[in-house]
Amino acid sequence: AQSVAQPEDQVNVAEGNPLTVKCTYSVSGNPYLFWYVQYPNRGLQFLLKYITGDNLVKGSYGFEAEFNKSQTSFHLKKPSALVSDSALYFCAVRDMNNNAGNMLTFGGGTRLMVKP
Amino acid sequence: EAGVTQFPSHSVIEKGQTVTLRCDPISGHDNLYWYRRVMGKEIKFLLHFVKESKQDESGMPNNRFLAERTGGTYSTLKVQPAELEDSGVYFCASSQGGRVGGANVLTFGAGSRLTVL
Repeated sequence: AQSVAQPEDQVNVAEGNPLTVKCTYSVSGNPYLFWYVQYPNRGLQFLLKYITGDNLVKGSYGFEAEFNKSQTSFHLKKPSALVSDSALYFCAVRDMNNNAGNMLTFGGGTRLMVKP
Repeated sequence: EAGVTQFPSHSVIEKGQTVTLRCDPISGHDNLYWYRRVMGKEIKFLLHFVKESKQDESGMPNNRFLAERTGGTYSTLKVQPAELEDSGVYFCASSQGGRVGGANVLTFGAGSRLTVL
């Protein structure tokens, strides 16, 4: 079975400061990892994904995430937060070797609040 | 390119009634998924269509839920009869065809919020 944990329900950061949203995962095989963001009254928007290759993945809106296999983590980061980054962030995993289908497993979400 | 469209955006019904949610995926996307988020918890997988066929329906909670995708285009998710615990946000997503277990990115709709009173 595959699972994702986002240990923080909410992260508060001041505008201009770096931000980190944590994610750890569990899969039986190798993972595909994703970050999605949900703004109010909008659907989930894709931010970035890790498939293979460089452990540091760069995505939309200046976000990046680092894949750490030994720690089974895929934390989302941004060097300088903007108020407009305030939203709900979801980490998701899919087992690369899962023959049952393309099912994505999501974490519980982390609300990011960036204050001016 | 039009995105994934879901209707209605919000539905309020009483326990025991029936509700049908509709999803129009991105044109040409063979894969269509239903997920739901209940009580602010994890987004949970319900089922996966490949064209008109159910590829995986392991996440469907019980037989009160029925999903269809006739013709391999839009999909409907019917809840009959609705119970209080069915309240939540139902998301639809679609992706292009690809091998099972592929790295395709899912494009999500805005969700249909269901409130059962």
